Amino acid sequence: QVQLVESGGGVVQPGRSLRLSCAASGLTFSSYGMHWVRQAPGKGLEWVAVISYDGSNKDYADSVKGRFTISRDNSKNTLYLQMNSLRAEDTAVYYCAKGSGSYYGGWFDPWGQGTLVTVSS
Amino acid sequence: EIVLTQSPDFQSVTPKEKVTITCRASQSIGSSLHWYQQKPDQSPKLLIKYASQSISGVPSRFSGSGSGTDFTLTINSLEAEDAAAYYCHQSSSLPITFGQGTRLEIK
Repeated sequence: QVQLVESGGGVVQPGRSLRLSCAASGLTFSSYGMHWVRQAPGKGLEWVAVISYDGSNKDYADSVKGRFTISRDNSKNTLYLQMNSLRAEDTAVYYCAKGSGSYYGGWFDPWGQGTLVTVSS
Repeated sequence: EIVLTQSPDFQSVTPKEKVTITCRASQSIGSSLHWYQQKPDQSPKLLIKYASQSISGVPSRFSGSGSGTDFTLTINSLEAEDAAAYYCHQSSSLPITFGQGTRLEIK
């Protein structure tokens, strides 16, 4: 079955960088758009970024634009999120999710288990 | 940006009760609306796609309806395991947005 496994979370100081990874298995990874969604402690879901099936199209939430970069390596079935200039308000569980289409359209299924990023001095 | 507003934010319900959660979009999104269930300490799980299409493996007591700007998630004959947060999500246009969530508590 399709499985997404995130890694790379941890505690980081404000202003520093972190890179998250999402390893995919059980699917033709290179056919689907992929998303990052985050959830601050006790809060709702916030979409972060999307990348098209071939990496040619990307988009970001305004809250992370210019600081975060989404990328993918289809040869390794892996999705990435490079997070720079981290702020306290970026503290959240970060989920990767498979889109149902080639870019941003459609539903998210499945979701990974999430990785916690804590930005604190 | 398309804003999704869910109601209610919280509901306390008894088993076997029928529950209705609504999601209103700030502009028409056709049927590009999906519903998710998130239980405590778990990842979100897809319940309904494209407003009313059922998902394999999801109990038949979950159903969705609506189009345009007004959408509804209905849970018939609520069970204790349905205690969770429920979110709507629009995929009509970027940026992708979610509703603020509805938390269901089982009495």
